[in-house]
Amino acid sequence: QSVLTQPPSVSAAPGQKVTISCSGSSSNIGNNFVSWYQHFPGTAPKLLIYENSKRPSGIPDRFSGSKSGTSATLGITGLQSGDEADYYCGTWDSSLSVGVFGGGTKLTVL
Amino acid sequence: EVQLVQSGAEVKKPGESLKISCQSSGYIFSNYWIAWVRQTPGKGLEWMGIIYPGDSDTRYSPSFQGQVTISADKSIDTAYLQWSSLKASDTAIYYCMRRLGGSPSYFWFDPWGQGTLVTVSS
Repeated sequence: QSVLTQPPSVSAAPGQKVTISCSGSSSNIGNNFVSWYQHFPGTAPKLLIYENSKRPSGIPDRFSGSKSGTSATLGITGLQSGDEADYYCGTWDSSLSVGVFGGGTKLTVL
Repeated sequence: EVQLVQSGAEVKKPGESLKISCQSSGYIFSNYWIAWVRQTPGKGLEWMGIIYPGDSDTRYSPSFQGQVTISADKSIDTAYLQWSSLKASDTAIYYCMRRLGGSPSYFWFDPWGQGTLVTVSS
């Protein structure tokens, strides 16, 4: 079991919006920044969101991030078939002194 | 282009040793922390530890302390993850990644290596 909790899977139709939740505690999400990664199996995971809501250059504004209390959310609008991937949240856990990740969410574009 | 390129897949027997690598390019290797994580189907992504190549300051997860060794050779811009005696439970994909945040709280990594599959089987 992962320290951060994500839904195992989400799905939506092309063009629609989907959100992926990431739940933690005060020792991790509550007091540290969250980042999100897109992963196509067999390739290098890619940074999508950092510092809760910032997008690196080159990441389209269809991707957004937010954080409230001990939970974070990744939003993807205008879904495309190419968005089908695994998505992971990550943050630092100040009590454990380790990085922690969610178990990953598989996005299916119907 | 900033890249981390990892060494290829390995198949080993229990008890054997192994060292996998993560070669950087496109940036000053010594100036950024490099972390290692393990990916398994059952446990997702697990934090193993992190090293600052500039002075080899290394921090291990308690779960991996004593089980692996993280090192770096700044003369060839390469970080390493090694085992002295592999177990079947070490079978996993291992990723290296560069930390861009200035402190642990600023937790974000880019780029990641492509991953190294390690299979340990008798």
